[in-house]
Amino acid sequence: GAGVSQTPSNKVTEKGKYVELRCDPISGHTALYWYRQSLGQGPEFLIYFQGTGAADDSGLPNDRFFAVRPEGSVSTLKIQRTERGDSAVYLCASSLTHASPYEQYFGPGTRLTVT
Amino acid sequence: GIQVEQSPPDLILQEGANSTLRCNFSDSVNNLQWFHQNPWGQLINLFYIPSGTKQNGRLSATTVATERYSLLYISSSQTTDSGVYFCAVVVSGNTGKLIFGQGTTLQVKP
Repeated sequence: GAGVSQTPSNKVTEKGKYVELRCDPISGHTALYWYRQSLGQGPEFLIYFQGTGAADDSGLPNDRFFAVRPEGSVSTLKIQRTERGDSAVYLCASSLTHASPYEQYFGPGTRLTVT
Repeated sequence: GIQVEQSPPDLILQEGANSTLRCNFSDSVNNLQWFHQNPWGQLINLFYIPSGTKQNGRLSATTVATERYSLLYISSSQTTDSGVYFCAVVVSGNTGKLIFGQGTTLQVKP
């Protein structure tokens, strides 16, 4: 079946602008995760959804970042007043359930560049 | 928080050589995954292995949860094995968020 998809694959925006990044998880997966990967680093957790609700948003760096998953499937990561330090690859992952085993499958990522 | 340390940070091999990558973690975990990040940035699942040993073709992995480490073995390496290998864990009792190590960058030369 289809894997996790993310759009757009690349996004260039100017400092101060608003951006939305979309994630479409594997069909039937109830858990969805957002991570951010900076150059030369491992991915870092941002937020986790179980169904429609954010079960853990402890990784969001500040209140400019927000994510939703209104129908328990597609999720959107929203970044307000973008800063150059927000430039990174944003990765989305999904897993069948929130309960162990948690095997997560990743999408191809959205490369965000803030100029 | 939990520390996930991978070694070596960089590895250069000749095609056909074998290698062992190591992942140490500082707390009890109930999920451990190995990934290969290809040159296009895609994270490819290699193993879900919170404990025990698994094999898939030329790759195998072993996790000794009681001693808090995991090993990834690559045999008869090929140039297509090049890329970054990540180990990632979920701390026991936590939500499913993965904590990643810094990765091992592997270059296989023809």
